[in-house]
Amino acid sequence: RKEVEQDPGPFNVPEGATVAFNCTYSNSASQSFFWYRQDCRKEPKLLMSVYSSGNEDGRFTAQLNRASQYISLLIRDSKLSDSATYLCVVNMWGNNDMRFGAGTRLTVKP
Amino acid sequence: DVKVTQSSRYLVKRTGEKVFLECVQDMDHENMFWYRQDPGLGLRLIYFSYDVKMKEKGDIPEGYSVSREKKERFSLILESASTNQTSMYLCASSSTTGELFFGEGSRLTVL
Repeated sequence: RKEVEQDPGPFNVPEGATVAFNCTYSNSASQSFFWYRQDCRKEPKLLMSVYSSGNEDGRFTAQLNRASQYISLLIRDSKLSDSATYLCVVNMWGNNDMRFGAGTRLTVKP
Repeated sequence: DVKVTQSSRYLVKRTGEKVFLECVQDMDHENMFWYRQDPGLGLRLIYFSYDVKMKEKGDIPEGYSVSREKKERFSLILESASTNQTSMYLCASSSTTGELFFGEGSRLTVL
């Protein structure tokens, strides 16, 4: 089993749609969780951290389910500019050893 | 503004050549990382360093070594490049919150 697994997609959605991505992780003792966004031919950049109680940033909502060992990212009212690859990142062993999922590709179409 | 700078955006090397990839950060971060990114595999950790002269192996250290002589600089070395090391190499440093800041990447082709 991979340490961090994501559905690779691609997800193709119309503008205005709501889309959700999940990510599972193997180590139940993992401490911190993040979603990164990577545009084509660019470096990854932090989208948002994921807190135990769940957190929201505008149209983006992140949630953590420790019992089932997954995190999720919900994007509401999708924009064309949301088209990117979304990477799930887990601080797997609590020592800044960040492990990445393979990424989920999202394309938002007019 | 936060800055991680990788020395080369594109490199083409021949099998058996020694390759140096350099990375410099200006944020006084303790932790620095080298990843490689391949289609379908995502980012895989090669090495990371949590202090000067300290290093830890990641998932795929074979064929690579690293050097951290100064806090701001973390170098990745391929002693004898092979074709399966053709990849995008990404350097990052992390803040105390755990946020990773990446360089623009170095695309290495080994012929």
